[in-house]
Amino acid sequence: GQQLNQSPQSMFIQEGEDVSMNCTSSSIFNTWLWYKQDPGEGPVLLIALYKAGELTSNGRLTAQFGITRKDSFLNISASIPSDVGIYFCAGPPTSGSARQLTFGSGTQLTVLP
Amino acid sequence: GAVVSQHPSWVICKSGTSVKIECRSLDFQATTMFWYRQFPKQSLMLMATSNEGSKATYEQGVEKDKFLINHASLTLSTLTVTSAHPEDSSFYICSAESPAGSDTQYFGPGTRLTVL
Repeated sequence: GQQLNQSPQSMFIQEGEDVSMNCTSSSIFNTWLWYKQDPGEGPVLLIALYKAGELTSNGRLTAQFGITRKDSFLNISASIPSDVGIYFCAGPPTSGSARQLTFGSGTQLTVLP
Repeated sequence: GAVVSQHPSWVICKSGTSVKIECRSLDFQATTMFWYRQFPKQSLMLMATSNEGSKATYEQGVEKDKFLINHASLTLSTLTVTSAHPEDSSFYICSAESPAGSDTQYFGPGTRLTVL
């Protein structure tokens, strides 16, 4: 099946710094989704990407759908303490009728004051 | 819009008992819902796909007789963990497909199950 490799696994940054994380796959995706999960909560959708090359912003967050359709990155600018959490990339299969998401392993972000 | 709720948010039960978890789409209808399990410091692992009006589709390695799924209406899916054991303790999360059919899923807040 399709697999997503997400990096880095964890990040410790100072408040105000910019953050970048990415996801790669050996197979293509038609949709890339970025979620954030706070402790004890379900994932919350941050950004959805549907087209290769697409660059989409949501406030301080920016995500891009790679041209090869095998990668995506998420940037967070001017980080603040509430950005702390686990960030997951995810995507549905490109073949077959199944629509379940494949998740990356997650990036644990810690923002130091 | 696209709000998904789960109930209960946490539950503690004795080994051998059964626990039912509800997943509801509050402001949209969901033909398909998904059930995930997440262990500490790990990613979400899909357990099964819940289809309204038909049998659920289980992922490899997930026992369908242990994890009973019922999708009785377009806004409700339930997961029943039967004869729960301590190794079933986990964070169970459901999701529902976007009503726009855009491959996007919206997640519930999760249910923390602890089996003593």
